[in-house]
Order: sequence, then structure tokens, then C-alpha cells
Amino acid sequence: DTEVTQTPKHLVMGMTNKKSLKCEQHMGHRAMYWYKQKAKKPPELMFVYSYEKLSINESVPSRFSPECPNSSLLNLHLHALQPEDSALYLCASSQTTLAGAPRQETQYFGPGTRLLVL
Amino acid sequence: SQQGEEDPQALSIQEGENATMNCSYKTSINNLQWYRQNSGRGLVHLILIRSNEREKHSGRLRVTLDTSKKSSSLLITASRAADTASYFCATLGRNNFNKFYFGSGTKLNVKP
Repeated sequence: DTEVTQTPKHLVMGMTNKKSLKCEQHMGHRAMYWYKQKAKKPPELMFVYSYEKLSINESVPSRFSPECPNSSLLNLHLHALQPEDSALYLCASSQTTLAGAPRQETQYFGPGTRLLVL
Repeated sequence: SQQGEEDPQALSIQEGENATMNCSYKTSINNLQWYRQNSGRGLVHLILIRSNEREKHSGRLRVTLDTSKKSSSLLITASRAADTASYFCATLGRNNFNKFYFGSGTKLNVKP
């Protein structure tokens, strides 16, 4: 199984709502990533988890809260978002080295969640 | 910033023609990868070339890497309408190996 799944596919939320994005993979990858992609732009890294521990936070506002409850799941909790946070949110995973650092190899991406904040 | 730039930003060709996209980056790398993204969808890995390689082939894809010029090119031969997508190069730096930097992307349109 070389698939990364993301739910929901689409999400519309108000600025006072709390919602969560979910990502799942069963490839045994121990590095997982959240990216944000605005229209006609490349993906921008938000967070990296390695062995369920947060290893990179690219200065993302606290209204985005990641969580990695186990080796297969990655969540992104959303609260009090702004309209400018509307974007495609992509999850990815990759293998890791025995030392825990992500291998410099392929990242496998999910289809994304298209988020609209009203 | 280590982020790469790609050119052209957009490319429109007829089916059967070849498409060439170029990518430049700023710092030393361990490898460079190319990804494809259909409109509004996730990215799909196409090919990886390591810093000690100069050329790599995979089916109709040919990738070159010139580390002295910090540039790479992706050639798609005998293009098909199904190749219509955005193509991104991505680099993984030597010192920051767990961070991917994506190029600005080339939007390819293959007309049937």
C-alpha cells in the first residue's frame, strides 16, 4: 500500500470554528509532513514529524496545531483561522533512517484537503 | 532561500512534441527530485537524481543535473495530453536534509 489518504477532501469553516484535518499512511514511514499550498504556488512546508515527535515547525501560527497520535496518523487541528488560510493542505510521508532523521528520499503525498475559511 | 526557480512558468505544446523544463537552486544539495501535480491534487514523485549523477532516465522522462551551475532540466519526450499538469523540482539540502524546498513550478499544457 503506497497510498497516503487525507480527509476530508473539502472543508468550509468559519473563523470561529474548530476543525481537524486527518492524514493516514500504512507504508511504515516514520516521517510525516504538513504542507500548505496556495493557488499557482509551490507547496510550503509547515511541520515535520519524525518518530511521532515534532522536529520542524516552520514558524506556523498557533491557530494551526499538529498532532501525531501514532506512527500511521497525522492530524492538523484548526482554530480561529483567517480567510488568508484558505488553501490546499497536503500531507506527505517518507522513510527515516535508523537514527530517526528522515531519509533524503521520496515523499509520498496525499490528495490534499481544500480548505475555505469564510 | 534555498528555494529553486523554474522556467518557463508555463509551457504549451502539441501532443507528440517534447517538453523541457528547467530548475535552478541556490545551495548545495544531496539530491534533486521532480514531482508532478494535476490540478488541485496531491504531488506524485517522478524521478530522483543524486548530486553525483549527471543524467537519469525513466520511461519518457530524462533528467539532467549540473551541480556546477546549480541547475536541472526535465525532458518529457513524445508528450501526451495526459501529461498536462504542473511540474515542480524539489531539493533536499545537505545541511537541512529533512526540509524539502520546492521550485516555483512549470505549468505544462499538452494540446491534443
